[in-house]
Amino acid sequence: AQSVTQPDIHITVSEGASLELRCNYSYGATPYLFWYVQSPGQGLQLLLKYFSGDTLVQGIKGFEAEFKRSQSSFNLRKPSVHWSDAAEYFCAVGAQRSSNYKLTFGKGTLLTVNP
Amino acid sequence: SAVISQKPSRDICQRGTSLTIQCQVDSQVTMMFWYRQQPGQSLTLIATANQGSEATYESGFVIDKFPISRPNLTFSTLTVSNMSPEDSSIYLCSVAGQGGGKLFFGSGTQLSVL
Repeated sequence: AQSVTQPDIHITVSEGASLELRCNYSYGATPYLFWYVQSPGQGLQLLLKYFSGDTLVQGIKGFEAEFKRSQSSFNLRKPSVHWSDAAEYFCAVGAQRSSNYKLTFGKGTLLTVNP
Repeated sequence: SAVISQKPSRDICQRGTSLTIQCQVDSQVTMMFWYRQQPGQSLTLIATANQGSEATYESGFVIDKFPISRPNLTFSTLTVSNMSPEDSSIYLCSVAGQGGGKLFFGSGTQLSVL
């Protein structure tokens, strides 16, 4: 069975600082990997996804993530955080079959941005 | 991308009552999904709702507790029946995007059961 671990429940960074949110997954084959963001009172918005190919993927809002098979990780990064990035971030894994939309989500990392 | 409208956005309900959550999509979609997000927990898939067939429930979820309707390709409802405080969660509707594995989410329904 697939699983996702986000080791950090809550992270606080200063505006302008760099950010890295950790995600480790467990899956028997090459997975689909996703990062979603949830702002207060909002649904989840897809930031970026990895299906295959280049292991460094670019997303919206200046985010990027790197797939490292050897470490079973898919960490999310941003070089300079903005106050509007304060939200909860979810990593998710899915099976690499185009008809399979069952995603397994991590418990999320809450990001606080200090001015 | 799909625009998903979900209502109510929040509700406070009494134990033993039922609440029906509506999900409207701005385009026709084959697969719709209902997720639950319990406080401090990750999202958990409740069921997959395909138009014209019965919903497929995940382990731990049953139709009597979470009946789902899918009358057409743009609309679905989830009912939380005979509610208890343990049902207090955010319930999210989502639809599948093209290209495999990508989901679009509604803004969720924050349910509190007293």
